[in-house]
Order: sequence, then C-alpha cells, then structure tokens
Amino acid sequence: GAVVSQHPSWVICKSGTSVKIECRSLDFQATTMFWYRQFPKQSLMLMATSNEGSKATYEQGVEKDKFLINHASLTLSTLTVTSAHPEDSSFYICSALRFGTTRDEQFFGPGTRLTVL
Amino acid sequence: AQSVTQPDIHITVSEGASLELRCNYSYGATPYLFWYVQSPGQGLQLLLKYFSGDTLVQGIKGFEAEFKRSQSSFNLRKPSVHWSDAAEYFCAVGAYSGAGSYQLTFGKGTKLSVIP
Repeated sequence: GAVVSQHPSWVICKSGTSVKIECRSLDFQATTMFWYRQFPKQSLMLMATSNEGSKATYEQGVEKDKFLINHASLTLSTLTVTSAHPEDSSFYICSALRFGTTRDEQFFGPGTRLTVL
Repeated sequence: AQSVTQPDIHITVSEGASLELRCNYSYGATPYLFWYVQSPGQGLQLLLKYFSGDTLVQGIKGFEAEFKRSQSSFNLRKPSVHWSDAAEYFCAVGAYSGAGSYQLTFGKGTKLSVIP
C-alpha cells in the first residue's frame, strides 16, 4: 500500500518561533498533497492544497503568510508555521494524492502534534 | 460542493452488541466514500472505501458499510463490537470540483464508547 510519512511526530516550541513539518510520500509520486488541521475533539479541516511546482491553494480563513507551504518535489511537501502562538497548537495531518489509472486516492500521514508554549 | 453529515456525535454500546454509525452525504454524482477510525492522539486509519460496484463493502476489523444511493447514505456496521473499537469514526466523501481538483470532505465524527 501507499505510505505517507510526517516528521516530526510531535513538536513543542516557544511562542514566536517557526516550526516546519515535513510530509513525504514514500512509495509513490504525489503532485498534489493536502494539509489538514484538527483541534481536540473536532474533525479534520482542510487548510490548503499543495501542488508540486506551483503555489498552494488555501482554504478560506487560512492565513497563507502564517502557514507557508512548499511542495518542491514530487515526494515532499512542507508546512511552516511562522511566528507560532499558542492558538496554533493543534494536530496537523497531511495527505498525498496518488493518481491511478481508474481513480485517484488520498493517503494520510500519521500526523504531527504541535504545542506552542 | 460535497458535504457529509454524521448525525450522531456520541454513541455508547455494550461489548458484543451490534453497531451502526450513520453517514449521509450530499453530492451531485456518485462520490467516493470512506470510513476512517482515529484513536486518541493517533492518525487516521482507513477502515473501508467505496468507489463503485458492489454496494456492500467489507473492511478491516470486521467492519462493513453499505452504499445506498436512494438515501445518500453510507452507514458503517459491525455485528459484534469489541472494547478496542472505542474511538472516533469519520465518514468522508471524495469528489472532483468543477475545475477538476480532487477534495476529500470529512464529517464531524462520531465518538464510539464501548461498555465492558
């Protein structure tokens, strides 16, 4: 099956610092990756769609200058939370879209727990 | 745009009892349908998926789901629940926008508690 990894699994940082989260598709190429955010006891909310070689598409209400997304290769997308604050503490999950001959399918990473002190 | 409704926020069942989690979707065509399970502090695990064909789909851990087009539903079932099934369950719909981009939309989730 298709495998998507995320690094780090968890991170604690001080308020005002920036944090980078990596999302990798290990056994397939992904021109499209997605970044989700999940607050405690809530569902996943799509933050942005990352397309290799082009700018990410952000969902309404998501600050693109705060959540920088870079999809520089076919297997790697990064999410950088800039000048993080406690309200940015959340569970961030990425997924990668694998194109198929009959259908496309999304595969999810294990998530990254961000805690901002 | 597609949407997903999970009417039950929290369900409690006794171990060994049967389970049905409801999911209704809204989409103009036949969508791709998914059920995921998430344990506390963990990522998502895919239980099963429906793309086309047989409307009764078998998944892992003894789960199954039935796609009913007339009811726009994709309910998840299990004949006998185990204590380890206690978790959050998410129904999701995958579909293409008019611009051709693919997007997965999640329901708000149903928390399952299991009484020993």
